Amino acid sequence: SAVISQKPSRDICQRGTSLTIQCQVDSQVTMMFWYRQQPGQSLTLIATANQGSEATYESGFVIDKFPISRPNLTFSTLTVSNMSPEDSSIYLCSATFGTEPYEQYFGPGTRLTVT
Amino acid sequence: GQNIDQPTEMTATEGAIVQINCTYQTSGFNGLFWYQQHAGEAPTFLSYNVLDGLEEKGRFSSFLSRSKGYSYLLLKELQMKDSASYLCAVMDSNYQLIWGAGTKLIIKP
Repeated sequence: SAVISQKPSRDICQRGTSLTIQCQVDSQVTMMFWYRQQPGQSLTLIATANQGSEATYESGFVIDKFPISRPNLTFSTLTVSNMSPEDSSIYLCSATFGTEPYEQYFGPGTRLTVT
Repeated sequence: GQNIDQPTEMTATEGAIVQINCTYQTSGFNGLFWYQQHAGEAPTFLSYNVLDGLEEKGRFSSFLSRSKGYSYLLLKELQMKDSASYLCAVMDSNYQLIWGAGTKLIIKP
């Protein structure tokens, strides 16, 4: 099965700064996604990372705050910009492989704390 | 709107059987997924149903009724390591995954 890695695994950042999270998959990927998960809550989709073009953002998320890149099939980055304590969360990347049923496999997550 | 409902928390005894229900209302349907998430870890894929009926995978089974917008995850011979959150997710007509809030399962000895 594919391995999805993320870095950093955790970070503590000051408000007003930015953090870039990297996601690397070790095999061919169909789609890549970025999620946010608040403690004790379910997953909220931030955006679909599109290779070579702008990401597709969900309602409530904008490119200026969460710029995403996907320069090739197996790598993507998510930047959390101008951070505030409300951005403290776990950020997860996921990927689908091949054809149906398109189940998503997740990276280990990045635990972000903004002070 | 799109909605997925599942119980917030359930408690069961080691060695017993537990059924976690999920009801959904979505724009179209392209399959239903169950994921397991241990505290502090990423979700892991458990099962997929797209046709009505029961899919069995070892101690875990998942059932789907599309006409009722209903699924359940059945866990048999419960073990302490099954303590986790179980997330129900439905793929809508745009192949977008709609996630439930998750059910926290507590296993007691």
